[in-house]
Amino acid sequence: DTGVSQDPRHKITKRGQNVTFRCDPISEHNRLYWYRQTLGQGPEFLTYFQNEAQLEKSRLLSDRFSAERPKGSFSTLEIQRTEQGDSAMYLCATWEGGVNTEAFFGQGTRLTVV
Amino acid sequence: GQQLNQSPQSMFIQEGEDVSMNCTSSSIFNTWLWYKQDPGEGPVLLIALYKAGELTSNGRLTAQFGITRKDSFLNISASIPSDVGIYFCAVKTSGTYKYIFGTGTRLKVLA
Repeated sequence: DTGVSQDPRHKITKRGQNVTFRCDPISEHNRLYWYRQTLGQGPEFLTYFQNEAQLEKSRLLSDRFSAERPKGSFSTLEIQRTEQGDSAMYLCATWEGGVNTEAFFGQGTRLTVV
Repeated sequence: GQQLNQSPQSMFIQEGEDVSMNCTSSSIFNTWLWYKQDPGEGPVLLIALYKAGELTSNGRLTAQFGITRKDSFLNISASIPSDVGIYFCAVKTSGTYKYIFGTGTRLKVLA
């Protein structure tokens, strides 16, 4: 148990529907990342927050994707008008920010768009 | 896109054998990491390397941070069935502290 909790673990949705995922970080971890992992690939960076501020977004994060971290604690990732190409594992990771320490990843949310 | 290349892509080994895999980059990075990922789970950190030339062990795992800061290798000694999984190298970028992952090495252990 890494302490980073993601919900749901699995989501099946029809193309065109909106979906929202939640990530609860390890307490007092002020850096929170979202990654996407497709089958057979390594995780790819989507976006990250420092406290409640979203500091960077990858070009992978199209305008159908939005992420929030309203109070600097939990975060949500929403995908609007889902497409089959959105099917992937969505991973959240959080980091305390200390020297020689690293982020912990959650177990991920597996999205299948049918 | 991905900046880290891992080799081999996959390997089958007999239980008890030693395993070696490596990771290379065209750019210099100051933090190199090795993760293991089981099916349906998130990556779990195995070893972190912070100094060029550093050799670090974690049980049967040993990893080295290349002196050029452009590569790293991971060795697993006396493999066991639970070593099965995908091993990813990753680097942490300076300044923005983002993680970039390699393409992965899929390990299968034959009992």
